[in-house]
Amino acid sequence: AQSVSQHNHHVILSEAASLELGCNYSYGGTVNLFWYVQYPGQHLQLLLKYFSGDPLVKGIKGFEAEFIKSKFSFNLRKPSVQWSDTAEYFCAVTPIILTGGGNKLTFGTGTQLKVEL
Amino acid sequence: DTEVTQTPKHLVMGMTNKKSLKCEQHMGHRAMYWYKQKAKKPPELMFVYSYEKLSINESVPSRFSPECPNSSLLNLHLHALQPEDSALYLCASSQGDFLGQGLYEQYFGPGTRLTVT
Repeated sequence: AQSVSQHNHHVILSEAASLELGCNYSYGGTVNLFWYVQYPGQHLQLLLKYFSGDPLVKGIKGFEAEFIKSKFSFNLRKPSVQWSDTAEYFCAVTPIILTGGGNKLTFGTGTQLKVEL
Repeated sequence: DTEVTQTPKHLVMGMTNKKSLKCEQHMGHRAMYWYKQKAKKPPELMFVYSYEKLSINESVPSRFSPECPNSSLLNLHLHALQPEDSALYLCASSQGDFLGQGLYEQYFGPGTRLTVT
């Protein structure tokens, strides 16, 4: 079974600071990778996804993530955060199993980001 | 339209009650999911329906009974719940890959906040 770890549980940044949130997964085969965001009082929203191709993927609201296969990592970045980025961020993975049973999305423990003015 | 709707938003039930949670999507998705999210924790997969058939049950107690009446609707029937079942119950949907290979991203609803007294 796959697992996902996020090393930063709480991050506090000032506006305009750069952000990098770490995500590592454990699974021996092919995976799809996701970052979801949960703003206060709102539902989970897909921030970006990696399926294949260019390992640097861009998402909504200026976020990007880089897949490094050799490190089993999928770190999330943003050059300059805003107060409105305050939210919980979840890294998630699904294994690709061609014979079925693969659509099991596993989440990391989440990172609570607080951006201060 | 990437909307998944869930009703009710809040539910309080006693341990002897029977209630149901409802989820609906009109994106033509053929895979639907139930997750449970406790406070300050990531969502945990409970059930997966693929093409209206239950394809994954993550060893969920029988007091939770899922149902998929058609491709747009997903229900979760609740009976004889325990206080520890209090949580946010999330529904999600994705494009269906018939074998459940894990090929597509999931879209989440706002959840039903369940309190068991």
